[in-house]
Amino acid sequence: AQTVTQSQPEMSVQEAETVTLSCTYDTSESDYYLFWYKQPPSRQMILVIRQEAYKQQNATENRFSVNFQKAAKSFSLKISDSQLGDAAMYFCAYWGAQKLVFGQGTRLTINP
Amino acid sequence: DTEVTQTPKHLVMGMTNKKSLKCEQHMGHRAMYWYKQKAKKPPELMFVYSYEKLSINESVPSRFSPECPNSSLLNLHLHALQPEDSALYLCASSQPGLLLGADTQYFGPGTRLTVL
Repeated sequence: AQTVTQSQPEMSVQEAETVTLSCTYDTSESDYYLFWYKQPPSRQMILVIRQEAYKQQNATENRFSVNFQKAAKSFSLKISDSQLGDAAMYFCAYWGAQKLVFGQGTRLTINP
Repeated sequence: DTEVTQTPKHLVMGMTNKKSLKCEQHMGHRAMYWYKQKAKKPPELMFVYSYEKLSINESVPSRFSPECPNSSLLNLHLHALQPEDSALYLCASSQPGLLLGADTQYFGPGTRLTVL
């Protein structure tokens, strides 16, 4: 079974600085998708960024970018110029075999 | 409009009650999902509907009964629940491309269920 590991239960960063959230996964599949979802306190979970495994180029969305290392099965999220609104639980997720599997999450705090 | 709505927002029920959770989307998505999320844990997949047909049931107890009356609506019928079923129940939808679930899933705000 596929597993997703987020080794940092909590992270904090100063506003305007850069932070990187780690994620590793285990799979024997060659074709899969990876996601970072954000869940603010008491608010809806929303997609931050999506990466297709067959693409070598790292996905970026404005201040959010990933470092996808397929051989190492690593998928980290970098948030640049952190803003107060970035405070949330971040879940790394792996899609394979018709199922989305989430990591345990990293709670990100932004210090003003 | 990228909204998935869920009702009610909060639900308290006894172990002998029957209740239903509702989910609605108007994005034209044809795949809909139910997840269960316990406090400080990630969501866990319960059911997947694709084109109104149940395609995945993650061995969920029969006290949870999903229903997809049409392409916009998804219900979760609850009966004889246990206190350990208390959780946030999330609905999501996506376009069922070639790889079901690989497209972005749009989540609703959830229903917070408490079973007494």
